[in-house]
Amino acid sequence: QVQLQESGPGLVKPSQTLSLTCTVSGGSISSGSYYWTWIRQPAGKGLEWIGRIYTSGSTNYNPSLKSRVTISVDTSNNFSLKLSSVTAADTAVYYCARETVAGKYNWFDPWGQGTLVTVSS
Amino acid sequence: QSVLTQPPSASGTPGQRVTMSCSGRSSNIGSHFVNWYQQLPGTAPKLLIYRNNQRPSGVPDRFSGSKSGSSASLAISGLRSEDEADYYCATWDDSLSGWVFGGGTELTVL
Repeated sequence: QVQLQESGPGLVKPSQTLSLTCTVSGGSISSGSYYWTWIRQPAGKGLEWIGRIYTSGSTNYNPSLKSRVTISVDTSNNFSLKLSSVTAADTAVYYCARETVAGKYNWFDPWGQGTLVTVSS
Repeated sequence: QSVLTQPPSASGTPGQRVTMSCSGRSSNIGSHFVNWYQQLPGTAPKLLIYRNNQRPSGVPDRFSGSKSGSSASLAISGLRSEDEADYYCATWDDSLSGWVFGGGTELTVL
């Protein structure tokens, strides 16, 4: 059973780069038809899709964040998120998730437990 | 403001049937399947319904989904206290070339 776990600094200063890693266990990140995805949720608010990377390495990003986001696969069974020039508006719980590719009906499952990132000086 | 529109709250008593809506447009719900996620307090979202009306293994058949045109609905029958959670709809949007979510519906079991 695949499991995902986010890790990274819980506090980032304004204008710096937020960096998070998602460790995948129970399966290989490079096999199967999956996108590896980042989603965030500000406190008390809804979910926002940040972007994804396919097993081939191709990426898609939320247009509102595209200029600041990079998602990549690491050499080990991890994938990472980098969000540059952060502000307080980027404070949120960040989730990683696996998106199963099934034609036009993809879905996110499973999800990591989430990690809170606060942007503050 | 979310691309998909959900009522912010819903409520019901144990045993009741409740429904919650998710409305979008032709570029998202009108063209793609809808998924629903359940987020229990203090936890990560969990897949509840995929491909409009399919339940993953382990999800009780009290939960059902439907879609018509550019709107979708989630129904919960035989409401239980453990169903208290936030429920989010999600789908792909062709105009944005990305996934979009509803703002979520907070379900209270009275």
